[in-house]
Amino acid sequence: QVQLVQSGAEVKKPGASVKVSCKASGYRFTGYYIHWVRQAPGQGLEWMGRINPNSGATNYAKKFQGRVTMTRDTSINTAYMGLSRLTSDDTAIFYCTRGDYGVNKPQSYWGQGTLVTVSS
Amino acid sequence: QSVLTQPPSVSGAPGQRVTISCTGSSSNIGAGYDVHWYQQLPGTAPKLLIYGNNNRPSGVPDRFSGSKSGTSASLAITGLQVEDEVDYYCQSHDSSLSGVVFGGGTKLTVL
Repeated sequence: QVQLVQSGAEVKKPGASVKVSCKASGYRFTGYYIHWVRQAPGQGLEWMGRINPNSGATNYAKKFQGRVTMTRDTSINTAYMGLSRLTSDDTAIFYCTRGDYGVNKPQSYWGQGTLVTVSS
Repeated sequence: QSVLTQPPSVSGAPGQRVTISCTGSSSNIGAGYDVHWYQQLPGTAPKLLIYGNNNRPSGVPDRFSGSKSGTSASLAITGLQVEDEVDYYCQSHDSSLSGVVFGGGTKLTVL
């Protein structure tokens, strides 16, 4: 069965960077986009961007451009999301999701989420 | 401020029917992009509920249905049950932003 398993919770200081991993299993990793979605405490969902694991091509939401980096390692079926220059506003749960290639396909599978806490 | 607008909350009695709206614009829903809906239980990741405006993934009860018209979409839930009292989000694509956009989410209360 399709599974996306994310790395554990992180605590970071303001100004630092964080890198979250998402290990995929149960399907061909290079056959689907990996998206990243942020959810601040008590808030809604916010799309951060996506990576094509086959080519490595990325598309980032304008809000995060310059601060986010999405990469992948196809040898271990794992995608990564890095976010730099963290502030308290970045305290959130970050989810990786799987979506079909193409525009506006649904995000059919979600990781369990990774809580990132930014605090001095 | 979310690109897609949802009511923060809706409510209904058990057994009743409720709808949740998702209002966009000419650069997203109005441009013809599909709308997808997600259900999120407390403390868990969202789950795909409706895709492509009105399609249910396997395992989703037919009490849930979706529709789209013009610049808006709606999620309808019939035969309300206590376990439906969770959060719901709509999603589409925005051509101006060149990416995925979500609604702000709606909390359903079953009275």
